[in-house]
Amino acid sequence: DVKVTQSSRYLVKRTGEKVFLECVQDMDHENMFWYRQDPGLGLRLIYFSYDVKMKEKGDIPEGYSVSREKKERFSLILESASTNQTSMYLCASIEGGEVGNTEAFFGQGTRLTVV
Amino acid sequence: AQKITQTQPGMFVQEKEAVTLDCTYDTSDQSYGLFWYKQPSSGEMIFLIYQGSYDEQNATEGRYSLNFQKARKSANLVISASQLGDSAMYFCAMREGRNSGTYKYIFGTGTRLKVLA
Repeated sequence: DVKVTQSSRYLVKRTGEKVFLECVQDMDHENMFWYRQDPGLGLRLIYFSYDVKMKEKGDIPEGYSVSREKKERFSLILESASTNQTSMYLCASIEGGEVGNTEAFFGQGTRLTVV
Repeated sequence: AQKITQTQPGMFVQEKEAVTLDCTYDTSDQSYGLFWYKQPSSGEMIFLIYQGSYDEQNATEGRYSLNFQKARKSANLVISASQLGDSAMYFCAMREGRNSGTYKYIFGTGTRLKVLA
């Protein structure tokens, strides 16, 4: 059974803290993505990676960075957490290659609260 | 820039009736894929259906079909014979091809569907 696992289901952090959200996939997928989901705004792409050590900004990268040192792991970093980063964070992975029926496999989500 | 637009924040449908969820997209790429996902209240994301930009026929998967109108850049999801279990949030998504230089995978704002008994 394919799996994308996010390290925490719920997280509470203080303003100004450095926060790490981890995502691991066991499908040998090249592409990994980080989204945040907010009511009325849908899923917004923060960053994505198409290979180890490669990353590209999504639509809302400000205040975030990412790390992909190994193919199976993609980390999202909040350099200095702020209350407006309180959200549900979703990680997804997709196999590589040309555009085709590339279903995205999602983790269970991390609900982050910044106080 | 690529974009997905879902203009219906919420929809109601009577059980056993059909419902259409709207999705329009914007891309300059010739090669792209369009997807629909379902997110029940449990939060998991469930893949429903895929349509490739070069596919001539509309995709179908059981009770789901995708009404693909390329010239209008629309990819509406049709759910036939609605069931109570279809009540969920539905997201339209798009993945662009190589010409864009990237393989972004973006989502719309979603439509919350409520099926009435």
